[in-house]
Amino acid sequence: EPEVTQTPSHQVTQMGQEVILRCVPISNHLYFYWYRQILGQKVEFLVSFYNNEISEKSEIFDDQFSVERPDGSNFTLKIRSTKLEDSAMYFCASRIAGGTDTQYFGPGTRLTVL
Amino acid sequence: GQQVMQIPQYQHVQEGEDFTTYCNSSTTLSNIQWYKQRPGGHPVFLIQLVKSGEVKKQKRLTFQFGEAKKNSSLHITATQTTDVGTYFCARLAAAGNKLTFGGGTRVLVKP
Repeated sequence: EPEVTQTPSHQVTQMGQEVILRCVPISNHLYFYWYRQILGQKVEFLVSFYNNEISEKSEIFDDQFSVERPDGSNFTLKIRSTKLEDSAMYFCASRIAGGTDTQYFGPGTRLTVL
Repeated sequence: GQQVMQIPQYQHVQEGEDFTTYCNSSTTLSNIQWYKQRPGGHPVFLIQLVKSGEVKKQKRLTFQFGEAKKNSSLHITATQTTDVGTYFCARLAAAGNKLTFGGGTRVLVKP
């Protein structure tokens, strides 16, 4: 069964450094999402992406964040200058166009900012 | 904002017993989805409810959408150790399809 994949599984970085989290959505999906989950808390929406542009973003998704679909398979989340409070699990999700509303989540990238 | 609230936050259940987790909204929901997240895992879609009063079953799991579409429940019968995890309800927004998750009910099963 097709799955969303994410790399790396764990990223440790120093405060102020840039990180890029990578996702490969399911191949025929057209809607892509990033969510984050601070340890022990609920899952929070960051951004949705469709047709090569952001369709919606949350208050969390400030100027330090950006997303890109650099080729036909990858979907990336960049954090330009990481802060301690960016430490969280970051989940990528994708959805097929039309029909089902089901979003399929990847296994996540645990980001630790020191 | 249009938040969804879940209770209880934690549920300790004896194996074999039943339990229910609830999801409430102050505004009418067009739909509600339920997800399960195993410890250390990612959210996995369980079901979507869209109709007032809708009831859906998946083996030992029964999902219900309230008549007023402001609340939903998940009832698990004869709990097993495989039911351990956090159960989230989530509201799916029409435009952009972002999911707004509730706080989750963390279920621990005592063998």
